[in-house]
Amino acid sequence: GQQLNQSPQSMFIQEGEDVSMNCTSSSIFNTWLWYKQDPGEGPVLLIALYKAGELTSNGRLTAQFGITRKDSFLNISASIPSDVGIYFCAGTDPNMIYNQGGKLIFGQGTELSVKP
Amino acid sequence: EAQVTQNPRYLITVTGKKLTVTCSQNMNHEYMSWYRQDPGLGLRQIYYSMNVEVTDKGDVPEGYKVSRKEKRNFPLILESPSPNQTSLYFCATAQGARTDTQYFGPGTRLTVL
Repeated sequence: GQQLNQSPQSMFIQEGEDVSMNCTSSSIFNTWLWYKQDPGEGPVLLIALYKAGELTSNGRLTAQFGITRKDSFLNISASIPSDVGIYFCAGTDPNMIYNQGGKLIFGQGTELSVKP
Repeated sequence: EAQVTQNPRYLITVTGKKLTVTCSQNMNHEYMSWYRQDPGLGLRQIYYSMNVEVTDKGDVPEGYKVSRKEKRNFPLILESPSPNQTSLYFCATAQGARTDTQYFGPGTRLTVL
């Protein structure tokens, strides 16, 4: 089936630094999503992207849907300790129109550690 | 308060002993899904349900069963658990067919000895 490759797998940064992570696929996706998982919790949706080229911000977070529809990146500016967690990219099955159909494919995750 | 509830949150069991992990939601969402999370593999979908009495396989359905007899509940059944089913399990829900925005439960950590 479709797979998403997320990198880096882990990051150790200093508070205040900017962070960038990305996700690539060998096939196109109709939707790109970015989730964050806090320790001991379920993932929470951060940003959803629906059009190729779309750039969307949510506070200090910015994500883009790649023009080729095969990649996406997430940037976090001026990181703070509460940014710690695992960030997942996800995409909806490209064989399903209008994001329907039920299948959501996740990347392996990027574990972020922030040193105060 | 909108909630997705999973029980139990932690479970240690032995090979072959049937178990059920429950998932319940109070948001009247049509869509419900089960995922397992393993280190280095991200989240992989086990089964999903678009509505009552409608279920379908995800990417890793082997060894699992589900049922959707009522809208709010979507139990995950392991008829004969094996050690390779040791994992962190998440239930998720979504409104209508908008499965791009899913709400996740708190997770169930299962260990099969």
